[in-house]
Amino acid sequence: AQTVTQSQPEMSVQEAETVTLSCTYDTSENNYYLFWYKQPPSRQMILVIRQEAYKQQNATENRFSVNFQKAAKSFSLKISDSQLGDTAMYFCAFKEYGNQFYFGTGTSLTVIP
Amino acid sequence: GAGVSQSPRYKVAKRGQDVALRCDPISGHVSLFWYQQALGQGPEFLTYFQNEAQLDKSGLPSDRFFAERPEGSVSTLKIQRTQQEDSAVYLCASSLTGGGYTDTQYFGPGTRLTVL
Repeated sequence: AQTVTQSQPEMSVQEAETVTLSCTYDTSENNYYLFWYKQPPSRQMILVIRQEAYKQQNATENRFSVNFQKAAKSFSLKISDSQLGDTAMYFCAFKEYGNQFYFGTGTSLTVIP
Repeated sequence: GAGVSQSPRYKVAKRGQDVALRCDPISGHVSLFWYQQALGQGPEFLTYFQNEAQLDKSGLPSDRFFAERPEGSVSTLKIQRTQQEDSAVYLCASSLTGGGYTDTQYFGPGTRLTVL
């Protein structure tokens, strides 16, 4: 079975600083997608960034970037220039061909003014 | 509509009652998913539809849970004889196509179910 592990239940960062959220996963597949979703207190999950496993280049979206280490099955999220609106739960998710997502237990990030 | 909508946003039920949760996916999205999110946990897959066909219901925890999408758009998740352990947020998501690597899921705001 596929599993996703987020070992940091809570994190905090000063506004404008950089923070890295970690995620590891377990799979026997070679092709898959990885995602980071953000869930603010309003509870609507929002896609932050995604990475195709066959691509070596790390995905970036403005202040968000990932460090994808396929051999280590690691997929960390870096948030640069943290803003107050980044305060939320962050979920790492894994998807292989097909439709089921597997989510980690989440990291609660607080940006401190 | 502009996004996935769910109703009601909050539902309180007495143990043993039946409940029905509604999901309106993004217009034109082929795939629809239901997830259960317990407090402090990540979402867990319940079931998946491609148009009106329910292709995977492996995540439904018991036969008290039933989902349908009769016309391939709106979906309803029904829970019969609710139990306290059913208390959770129920998330609906939709995606444009029928699967594959490139398919991003867009989530609704969820329905928070509390069973007393």
